[in-house]
Amino acid sequence: NAGVTQTPKFQVLKTGQSMTLQCAQDMNHEYMSWYRQDPGMGLRLIHYSVGAGITDQGEVPNGYNVSRSTTEDFPLRLLSAAPSQTSVYFCASSQGESGYTFGSGTRLTVV
Amino acid sequence: KNQVEQSPQSLIILEGKNCTLQCNYTVSPFSNLRWYKQDTGRGPVSLTIMTFSENTKSNGRYTATLDADTKQSSLHITASQLSDSASYICVVTPTGTASKLTFGTGTRLQVTL
Repeated sequence: NAGVTQTPKFQVLKTGQSMTLQCAQDMNHEYMSWYRQDPGMGLRLIHYSVGAGITDQGEVPNGYNVSRSTTEDFPLRLLSAAPSQTSVYFCASSQGESGYTFGSGTRLTVV
Repeated sequence: KNQVEQSPQSLIILEGKNCTLQCNYTVSPFSNLRWYKQDTGRGPVSLTIMTFSENTKSNGRYTATLDADTKQSSLHITASQLSDSASYICVVTPTGTASKLTFGTGTRLQVTL
């Protein structure tokens, strides 16, 4: 049982480049979300989805897009990378009131 | 704004000793409070989850307590091991907004020989 799988683990982008962070879960969870983790701050919600075809914005959505075409996958797209988007990104999934299962993270550096 | 504050920010203890981490929150009403362990370079892993009506929850050497009246929670680690070295994060779920978790900044624990 793989849980939540994130790829890539590390990425360096130049300012203005675009890319997609991948997230897949094999637990048939309806709820999936993306967070960013910055030094000295708690995890902050970027976007979330309560099921296939349904997405919504979190606390810090600017500069990011998401889609949820299947229950399993929830990719996060950076449209035009900026140095302020340097961070560690975590994808998470959950079902009902169960605890969240997090992926191992993607460390992104924008230069 | 709903907040979750944790103390201390960091802590160093000797292997075998006990320690207690604190979490104060302003989120109200809330449906549950969770403690997560995050190893360096990894995602958070759930340790305990308590509803607003629960006072304590244990998971092995980890025991979480909750006082909803004072809006405080603590995580007690007994007989610490080197593998307990990690960040511990307190997370509160506001009632009716299961998607809008409020995360604390965490306590970084280092267990040494």
